[in-house]
Amino acid sequence: GENVEQHPSTLSVQEGDSAVIKCTYSDSASNYFPWYKQELGKRPQLIIDIRSNVGEKKDQRIAVTLNKTAKHFSLHITETQPEDSAVYFCAATDSGFQKLVFGTGTRLLVSP
Amino acid sequence: DTGVSQNPRHKITKRGQNVTFRCDPISEHNRLYWYRQTLGQGPEFLTYFQNEAQLEKSRLLSDRFSAERPKGSFSTLEIQRTEQGDSAMYLCASSLREGSGGYTFGSGTRLTVV
Repeated sequence: GENVEQHPSTLSVQEGDSAVIKCTYSDSASNYFPWYKQELGKRPQLIIDIRSNVGEKKDQRIAVTLNKTAKHFSLHITETQPEDSAVYFCAATDSGFQKLVFGTGTRLLVSP
Repeated sequence: DTGVSQNPRHKITKRGQNVTFRCDPISEHNRLYWYRQTLGQGPEFLTYFQNEAQLEKSRLLSDRFSAERPKGSFSTLEIQRTEQGDSAMYLCASSLREGSGGYTFGSGTRLTVV
């Protein structure tokens, strides 16, 4: 079955710096890769996603890149702000495109 | 319809008791998923429904766990004879259909087994 690995587990940056979180997946048939942000005690919320026919997608300060050959995708946050502090999860569809398999999460801390 | 609703938000139960959680998805979403999340981990798949049909159940899921979605609307997740290892956040999510996009998650039910 699909396996998603996520790195780093913790990331500390200064306000204004960029942050990059990386994920790898195992199933070459996966075709959908969302990213979720989860603040303490709250539900995971979709922040950006990318499909396998696209290499990069951007939405204001966040962007996602996908390398299908290498089976990895990354989340890029520019000009980080303290409110970006949260746990970020990547995910990928399983081989039957029936459900999402999640990474273990990255705790991002943005210091003022 | 403002999103996915889960009840209760918190549940404390004694070991060995049965518990039931409810999830009300976004009304037009025909897919409903249950995940479990423990501290410091990503959501772990439990089971999912397409309308009223339960299409997949995790092999990691004990026989003590059962889920239903009788009319293709709300769903319930029951845990029988709870154990301390069942303590976790139980998340429900819904989506419009397979391949249509990401999930919308509910706020979860936090279960504590004492």
